[in-house]
Amino acid sequence: ETGVTQTPRHLVMGMTNKKSLKCEQHLGHNAMYWYKQSAKKPLELMFVYSLEERVENNSVPSRFSPECPNSSHLFLHLHTLQPEDSALYLCASSQEATGYGYTFGSGTRLTVV
Amino acid sequence: AQSVSQHNHHVILSEAASLELGCNYSYGGTVNLFWYVQYPGQHLQLLLKYFSGDPLVKGIKGFEAEFIKSKFSFNLRKPSVQWSDTAEYFCAVNARGGGSQGNLIFGKGTKLSVKP
Repeated sequence: ETGVTQTPRHLVMGMTNKKSLKCEQHLGHNAMYWYKQSAKKPLELMFVYSLEERVENNSVPSRFSPECPNSSHLFLHLHTLQPEDSALYLCASSQEATGYGYTFGSGTRLTVV
Repeated sequence: AQSVSQHNHHVILSEAASLELGCNYSYGGTVNLFWYVQYPGQHLQLLLKYFSGDPLVKGIKGFEAEFIKSKFSFNLRKPSVQWSDTAEYFCAVNARGGGSQGNLIFGKGTKLSVKP
């Protein structure tokens, strides 16, 4: 365990489904991130939350909706996804949004059918 | 905005061979540099990092990396690889000072396969 826990580990969903990914950190960090890891592509930064406020959204489609209710929890709500959204979704946390020492979770392997 | 290039997509070595994985970044300001490793089925782990000082950085498991500012490079090295080093290696960079430039940007990764 890294201190950053993601659930579920695997998720298969249809294009009309609504599901949520969960991330929880117990490291006392105050910044949390969602990354998308696709085959043969760099890890793509999707969302950044610092002190529970969203500070960055790298032009992610609206079918992905993040939520950060407190500094320990981060959600990614999914609806009407496309097959190309199938990927490994990684959550990370750090102390402040400066990037010093990100800690990553194990990821959720998402398959959209 | 920063970008990171990793030149090799897949490297195959025999045990005891020496390793060097290339990483170049583009950014005009001061940066922090990282190498992460992802073993099969596991999470991303920090291998080593450079913030300032000695440009030759030593990390875990015998890995080291050298920051050459003039070449915008941060290559990863290991004198003698083991089968257990089979993994995917990611170079990452972020700019000093925080803000959106402080977000960690990754290269595409290099898959290393070590033959026993």
